[in-house]
Amino acid sequence: ETGVTQTPRHLVMGMTNKKSLKCEQHLGHNAMYWYKQSAKKPLELMFVYNFKEQTENNSVPSRFSPECPNSSHLFLHLHTLQPEDSALYLCASSDRGSSTDTQYFGPGTRLTVL
Amino acid sequence: AQSVTQLDSQVPVFEEAPVELRCNYSSSVSVYLFWYVQYPNQGLQLLLKYLSGSTLVESINGFEAEFNKSQTSFHLRKPSVHISDTAEYFCAVMAGGTSYGKLTFGQGTILTVHP
Repeated sequence: ETGVTQTPRHLVMGMTNKKSLKCEQHLGHNAMYWYKQSAKKPLELMFVYNFKEQTENNSVPSRFSPECPNSSHLFLHLHTLQPEDSALYLCASSDRGSSTDTQYFGPGTRLTVL
Repeated sequence: AQSVTQLDSQVPVFEEAPVELRCNYSSSVSVYLFWYVQYPNQGLQLLLKYLSGSTLVESINGFEAEFNKSQTSFHLRKPSVHISDTAEYFCAVMAGGTSYGKLTFGQGTILTVHP
């Protein structure tokens, strides 16, 4: 695998379910990000992890719970979601502190909440 | 705080025609600028970026963008488009200082290339 991978690619869940999204980066980066992409809205930064430490929580509801066990893996745990949480969830990684701090994105997980 | 405005939500063009996708930003500090492209059912791919140096940057597939500090713009251009360029394009800005590392995206421009 190369670049940034995300699983699953598609997920349908009910409002009472608990599920998790997984992201893995194979680029040797030290920072990882979760974004939400909704229809007709700009990409919204949700969380930032820098060297496994959460450095940004952009006022995200507690029904979204991130986890970063190491600098290569990032999870987004979901529980009691609402239909308006349906969106494309994108993971990205970057080499923070480098002269070319550029974020590289995964293909995303298309989430539908019924 | 920084912001990004993409002036056109949709741009239809014919194949082999030139195209310009407009992007303006606002920031009180120095910035880094990016264009990403998103093909249907895929994630974002980096198209090109301006970090420093020459204000004209190019991608491997013929796109170019010019950083204009006085007009706070970073418009994306291609002299002759192909059907395969049909996608959504996002302009993004990363500011320096305390906002370093945080990307702010525009709303996106859907480029549709017709035969």
